[in-house]
Amino acid sequence: QKEVEQNSGPLSVPEGAIASLNCTYSDRGSQSFFWYRQYSGKSPELIMFIYSNGDKEDGRFTAQLNKASQYVSLLIRDSQPSDSATYLCAVKGQETSYDKVIFGPGTSLSVIP
Amino acid sequence: KAGVTQTPRYLIKTRGQQVTLSCSPISGHRSVSWYQQTPGQGLQFLFEYFSETQRNKGNFPGRFSGRQFSNSRSEMNVSTLELGDSALYLCASSKLSGSSYNEQFFGPGTRLTVL
Repeated sequence: QKEVEQNSGPLSVPEGAIASLNCTYSDRGSQSFFWYRQYSGKSPELIMFIYSNGDKEDGRFTAQLNKASQYVSLLIRDSQPSDSATYLCAVKGQETSYDKVIFGPGTSLSVIP
Repeated sequence: KAGVTQTPRYLIKTRGQQVTLSCSPISGHRSVSWYQQTPGQGLQFLFEYFSETQRNKGNFPGRFSGRQFSNSRSEMNVSTLELGDSALYLCASSKLSGSSYNEQFFGPGTRLTVL
């Protein structure tokens, strides 16, 4: 079983719609969860992080965490063509694992004008 | 505040050669992690350094090594290059190590091509 799993996509949504990106992880002791956006040919850019169960909102982005289900998601409201990118879910393990962050394979999102 | 910088941005090497990549973290950041990104394997963790000590290591052969200097700058070295080492090598810095609340910021990467 892979440690962090995401649907590879591509996920296509029309402009203005809500894009929903999902991620599951295997380490029940995981503490921190991150969403990165990566445009083609560029490096990953941190867009959201969440540590506690529930929702965290930042502008058009909402991260949702459910530790019991080992599930984290990212919602993008009012999707724009500029949101078209690969979204990487990253999970940091337990306190003793320092900075070993495990990345999922990424979900490719395409926002259609 | 300047971001993470990596040099060189592009490299072309031949099989059997060795290569050294450099990473300068964001000022004040003491943790540097290295990742390899390929289309087939995605983003894979190589190793992490904090205060000149390697804290974590991924599942890569011993040909991959790294170090960190007292100013937090880090280098990684790949010896006896193989075709499969062709990848984007990314460096990420963060302020602290061992803390859950520790976001990483990536540099632009070094694109290595092995011929």
